[in-house]
Parts: sequence; C-alpha cells; structure tokens
Amino acid sequence: SQTIHQWPATLVQPVGSPLSLECTVEGTSNPNLYWYRQAAGRGLQLLFYSVGIGQISSEVPQNLSASRPQDRQFILSSKKLLLSDSGFYLCAGAEAKNIQYFGAGTRLSVL
Amino acid sequence: GEDVEQSLFLSVREGDSSVINCTYTDSSSTYLYWYKQEPGAGLQLLTYIFSNMDMKQDQRLTVLLNKKDKHLSLRIADTQTGDSAIYFCAESLSGTYKYIFGTGTRLKVLA
Repeated sequence: SQTIHQWPATLVQPVGSPLSLECTVEGTSNPNLYWYRQAAGRGLQLLFYSVGIGQISSEVPQNLSASRPQDRQFILSSKKLLLSDSGFYLCAGAEAKNIQYFGAGTRLSVL
Repeated sequence: GEDVEQSLFLSVREGDSSVINCTYTDSSSTYLYWYKQEPGAGLQLLTYIFSNMDMKQDQRLTVLLNKKDKHLSLRIADTQTGDSAIYFCAESLSGTYKYIFGTGTRLKVLA
C-alpha cells in the first residue's frame, strides 16, 4: 500500500504570511491526491483533489490554492494567510478501490 | 443533499461490544469505508465494504450494510481502551473520485 508523507507536523504563522504545505506519496504511481481541512477534530472538508500532474479541482472558494508539479507531489499554498485558515490539514492518496490513505496531518495555527 | 450522518458520541465499558452507526446518501456508492482517528493523527483505514455485500468481518470488526435503508454499522467486539478514538464512515460518490465523510463518532472506552 502507499505511504503519504506530510510536513511539517505543526506550523505557526502570522496573519498575512505565505503558506506552503507539501505532501509526497510513496509506493504507488499516478494516484489521485486530495487535500482536506479538519476543524476542531470533527468532519473533513475536501479542499482540492487531483487526478494527474497539473490537474487540480477546487471544491470550495477560499484563500488557498493547490499544485501538483510531479506525479507524487501535492502542494497546498496561500499567498496571505487569514485567521480562518487555521486547522488541521490532511493529505490523502487513492488508487485501487478508491481507497484513500492519509498522511499524519499538519496542524496550522494562524495568529 | 450529500450528508453522511453519525451520532457524535458513544461510551462503552472495556470488554463490551461497540456499535457505531452511519447513514449515507448515495445509493450508487460502490464502496463504503470506516476510518479511525486518534488525537492529533491522520485517519487510519480500518475496513471497507463493497456495496454488493451485506456483511464483512475482519478480526474484532464486523461491518453491516443495509442498502435499502442506506445504513452502515461498525461493530467492535471486546472493546479495549486503545479503541478510544473518533470513527468516520465515508462513501465514495459514484462517478467521481470524491468521498463524503460522516461527522465522526467519538468512542470513549471506560476501564
């Protein structure tokens, strides 16, 4: 099965600063990739997904963007963070049976 | 709408069985999944069931699927303190690469 690597695990950023979260996938090729945000340990909100290099689908209008420069690399970015961008960000990859495997997550605090 | 519903909390005594319920929306979903999330961690896939099955058993876990009522349940036998976590059900939306996650059930196991 695939392994999802996310970093950093924790990030504290000031309002208005840029953001770059990276996710890489090991153990598979051409996976579907996903970025989720989870607020307060509850449900997951799908932010972006990608079915291939350079192909990004956005689920909600927001202050964030995503890019997939390589097959197994998915990046979540922002030019200027808002307080409301705080949360727990999870990257996932999927292949057979559309089973999604998750990374360990990045806890972002915007102050 | 696309809501997957779960009860928010469940408390059981160590050694008892736990049953976590989920009501999903898309009758065409191909697969349904159960994930476990421990505090501060990513989601761990526990099990999944194909939509043409009624039941799947995997060691202490039993999944029951009632397609007519769009109801999914996860039974954990001999519940242990290490089972304390948030449990999410998810359905894969037919014709898409997306999941819809439930709101999560927080299971607390009392010693």
